[in-house]
Amino acid sequence: QSALTQPASVSGSPGQSITISCTGTSSDVGGYNYVSWYQQHPGKVPKLMIYEVSNRPSGVSNRFSGSKSGNAASLTISGLQAEDGADYYCSSYTTSSTLVFGGGTKLTVL
Amino acid sequence: QVQLVESGGGLVKPGGPLRLSCAASGFTFSDYYMSWIRQAPGKGLEWISYITSSSSYTNYADSVKGRSTVSRDNAKNSLYLQMNSLRVEDTAVYYCVRVSSYGFDIWGQGTMVTVSS
Repeated sequence: QSALTQPASVSGSPGQSITISCTGTSSDVGGYNYVSWYQQHPGKVPKLMIYEVSNRPSGVSNRFSGSKSGNAASLTISGLQAEDGADYYCSSYTTSSTLVFGGGTKLTVL
Repeated sequence: QVQLVESGGGLVKPGGPLRLSCAASGFTFSDYYMSWIRQAPGKGLEWISYITSSSSYTNYADSVKGRSTVSRDNAKNSLYLQMNSLRVEDTAVYYCVRVSSYGFDIWGQGTMVTVSS
């Protein structure tokens, strides 16, 4: 049950777009369309931002989008805003019928 | 409103047991898989267990397998996690989470478990 691989940090200026990658294997990200993304502000509870690779729950801004290619998934945030600064985690279902998270990415809005 | 409220956390000695509970409200609890996820201080999220809606299947992360049992009581809208042989590295905030399409859509506020002598 190895964690998915995410960059430790990314940054961008307000109004720009950024992409956070999430790399797994054919046993998790590449094998299922059950990739999800979470936003967590310091001291707060994680919030679901994307599920099933590219679907947004009701209430989540359309500035957030998800995609997948092979064993890697991506979260793109367009039109960066100050409040987007947070930790982001990806998650995937696996062939072992377990779930696994990425190590998390800290997004800094400059 | 849709809500999950955990309880049962606290200070536990290494090797000891702990039972966490989660009370669900605002949705049809018996329709959903449920999961436990933890976060050690300053660390990332770690999935540790899930249970299907009818309790027919459970699964665990390797880090807790053999030491933990997840269960639910749909009549009481409650989820439980029994943990035994606790280790210092089990110290974390434990979240009760609703599962939808293998995504975690509703989270409780978490309960802190500290394992220390």
